[in-house]
Amino acid sequence: NAGVTQTPKFQVLKTGQSMTLQCAQDMNHEYMSWYRQDPGMGLRLIHYSVGAGITDQGEVPNGYNVSRSTTEDFPLRLLSAAPSQTSVYFCASSYKVGSYNSPLHFGNGTRLTVT
Amino acid sequence: DQQVKQNSPSLSVQEGRISILNCDYTNSMFDYFLWYKKYPAEGPTFLISISSIKDKNEDGRFTVFLNKSAKHLSLHIVPSQPGDSAVYFCAASLSGTYKYIFGTGTRLKVLA
Repeated sequence: NAGVTQTPKFQVLKTGQSMTLQCAQDMNHEYMSWYRQDPGMGLRLIHYSVGAGITDQGEVPNGYNVSRSTTEDFPLRLLSAAPSQTSVYFCASSYKVGSYNSPLHFGNGTRLTVT
Repeated sequence: DQQVKQNSPSLSVQEGRISILNCDYTNSMFDYFLWYKKYPAEGPTFLISISSIKDKNEDGRFTVFLNKSAKHLSLHIVPSQPGDSAVYFCAASLSGTYKYIFGTGTRLKVLA
């Protein structure tokens, strides 16, 4: 049981390039989400999904796209990278949406640098 | 506007003593609160949670207290151990919104 797996661990992009951060979970969790962590800002929600085919915006969605075609996968797309998107990105999932005793399980993160 | 605040960026505690980490929130409708621990180069890991119908929850060395009238929660670690040195995040959620709002974190250092 691998839990939440994120790839790649590190990535360097030039401004304007696009890329996809991958996230997969093998726990059959309904809920998946993406956060970014920046110094002094904590963890901020980018996008989330409550099931296959359903996505919605979080606190800081601009510049990012998501889709959820399967229960297991929730990729995050940067269409045109900007230096302001330099951050550590975490994918997280939980078993039951909005349920007590259903905490988020996090992956180990992707450290992205945009030059 | 930061809905969940951790006003102490860092805290140092002697091994064996109590560590108290604090968290304040502004939305009185939040009904589920969590604490996470994060080591460098790893993702946050779940520690303990509490629902708004309780004022205390214990799990081993970790106890979370919730004061709804003050919109304040705290995490107590007793006794503190060097392995507890990490960044601690509190988070809050409102049923039906599917969003977990995190604080900015407190870096705990337990001195041997």
